[in-house]
Amino acid sequence: AQSVTQLDSQVPVFEEAPVELRCNYSSSVSVYLFWYVQYPNQGLQLLLKYLSGSTLVKGINGFEAEFNKSQTSFHLRKPSVHISDTAEYFCAVIPGNNNDMRFGAGTRLTVKP
Amino acid sequence: GAGVSQTPSNKVTEKGKYVELRCDPISGHTALYWYRQSLGQGPEFLIYFQGTGAADDSGLPNDRFFAVRPEGSVSTLKIQRTERGDSAVYLCASSLQAAETQYFGPGTRLLVL
Repeated sequence: AQSVTQLDSQVPVFEEAPVELRCNYSSSVSVYLFWYVQYPNQGLQLLLKYLSGSTLVKGINGFEAEFNKSQTSFHLRKPSVHISDTAEYFCAVIPGNNNDMRFGAGTRLTVKP
Repeated sequence: GAGVSQTPSNKVTEKGKYVELRCDPISGHTALYWYRQSLGQGPEFLIYFQGTGAADDSGLPNDRFFAVRPEGSVSTLKIQRTERGDSAVYLCASSLQAAETQYFGPGTRLLVL
């Protein structure tokens, strides 16, 4: 079975500061990895995904994530955050041998002026 | 084009009642997924359809939950004898093919009194 751990439930940062949201997964097979964002009162929106190839993945709104197979991590980063980045961020995994997407519990990013 | 739509957006019911939640996927998407998101948690996988058939229903919590997709497009999630613990946001997602990017609807917020 696979699981997803988001190590921080809440991350408060000041505007224009860098941020890293951590995600670790456990799986006995190869995986596809995703980050979704959920703005207040809105549905889940895909930020970026890793399927194969380059381990550094760039997504929308200036976010990027790096797949590290040896550390089974897929941390999300942004060099300079904006107030509008305030949202809930979810890391998700699809194992290569089935189609179930498993989500982490989420990290609430709060950007303060 | 139109995204995934879900109706109703909110549903309030009494304990013991039957409810149906509807999902309209993106046109042409063969895969459809249902998730349940409780407060403060990430989405929890319930069931996945490939075409008309349920390819994986391992996430359904018990036999009170059932879902159909008779024509390979619209899907209905059915909950019998609702319990207060069923209160959550029920999310639907669709993808062009299995294991590809899932696009989420806005969800149906179910409250069981």
